[in-house]
Amino acid sequence: SQQGEEDPQALSIQEGENATMNCSYKTSINNLQWYRQNSGRGLVHLILIRSNEREKHSGRLRVTLDTSKKSSSLLITASRAADTASYFCATAGSWGKLQFGAGTQVVVTP
Amino acid sequence: EPEVTQTPSHQVTQMGQEVILRCVPISNHLYFYWYRQILGQKVEFLVSFYNNEISEKSEIFDDQFSVERPDGSNFTLKIRSTKLEDSAMYFCASTPTGPFYEQYFGPGTRLTVT
Repeated sequence: SQQGEEDPQALSIQEGENATMNCSYKTSINNLQWYRQNSGRGLVHLILIRSNEREKHSGRLRVTLDTSKKSSSLLITASRAADTASYFCATAGSWGKLQFGAGTQVVVTP
Repeated sequence: EPEVTQTPSHQVTQMGQEVILRCVPISNHLYFYWYRQILGQKVEFLVSFYNNEISEKSEIFDDQFSVERPDGSNFTLKIRSTKLEDSAMYFCASTPTGPFYEQYFGPGTRLTVT
């Protein structure tokens, strides 16, 4: 099955530092998406990268995709306390069905 | 900015009861989804819905589950006879022009089955 699996499971950093998390998946994909979830809340879409793209930027976010290694990374630069959340990658399959990984819990301390 | 809304935010029900979770997707969206997240676990796909019919469903989505778009705005998930293991956050999502675009998620309904 195509599932994103994030690594690390948890990340604790200080404000101003960069946070990097990785995602691996198993089968071919149309696109890979990253979402953020604050505790007990809904999922917020961050960025979508298509299978023919290698890198994408959005504000302080940078996503890379390596389809040969079936992996993606999300970099948050100059992190802020407000970035504290869980981050999930999700692979898009047929009919847009998203398969999520277990997520990386990021804690940014002031 | 348009957003997906879900009601109720929290539903408590007894085992064996029927529940209906409601979602109002963004108005011009065409593809609709339900996901659930058991506490501490991954977000799991339940069902996708397009053109008034189910396009794909997961193994979780058995005969106890059904979805409906009764009018032009609401999208509902019904669980006919709830079980303890149905306790979870249920998220509705929608996407505008095609299945391979970003999905907009609602805030979720926390379902507690006692």
